[in-house]
Amino acid sequence: GAGVSQSPRYKVAKRGQDVALRCDPISGHVSLFWYQQALGQGPEFLTYFQNEAQLDKSGLPSDRFFAERPEGSVSTLKIQRTQQEDSAVYLCASSLASGGIEKLFFGSGTQLSVL
Amino acid sequence: DQQVKQNSPSLSVQEGRISILNCDYTNSMFDYFLWYKKYPAEGPTFLISISSIKDKNEDGRFTVFLNKSAKHLSLHIVPSQPGDSAVYFCAAMSGTGANNLFFGTGTRLTVIP
Repeated sequence: GAGVSQSPRYKVAKRGQDVALRCDPISGHVSLFWYQQALGQGPEFLTYFQNEAQLDKSGLPSDRFFAERPEGSVSTLKIQRTQQEDSAVYLCASSLASGGIEKLFFGSGTQLSVL
Repeated sequence: DQQVKQNSPSLSVQEGRISILNCDYTNSMFDYFLWYKKYPAEGPTFLISISSIKDKNEDGRFTVFLNKSAKHLSLHIVPSQPGDSAVYFCAAMSGTGANNLFFGTGTRLTVIP
């Protein structure tokens, strides 16, 4: 596709349920990032992949959060035993390895609501 | 602790007038600053940036000013157009890589026709 695609667009989960959020980056983009944007806040960094290697996961808020990118393209962010504080928009972004920060392309996000 | 702050959650401006969006930061190690624009149901898109070695960068109707001593930057939009209505995020980074990018809370700009 032409842009970064994220699915589902909306996800409602009951507290304690596991969820999986998908990101399809722009074809050929080496770098992939996940951000969490809580209501009324700016995006906050969660984790970063270069190809299939997860180079930085310092932003993951707890060990309930897990991300993978096994073949260096599609990435999945998994949240286990969801809590109400996990409710947020989860944004994925991708860029070429040589692309500067201005060439970071964001998807439209997955809005997660935990009831 | 919020390292990048946008203290005005919203701003309304008449079409044709100047829009000024402000941003403050606390980390003196930040050396690169960006503004992103976000429409509803879309992801943020890059608008304009400035390096800490400059105090001004201009791109068409958009100009970003940086005051390092005050740890303050601002985005000027002249003239404002209805299509500029969006949420604007200020972001700052030290070093390279989007894993070092810190965003403000955003300012919702409404340009009134």
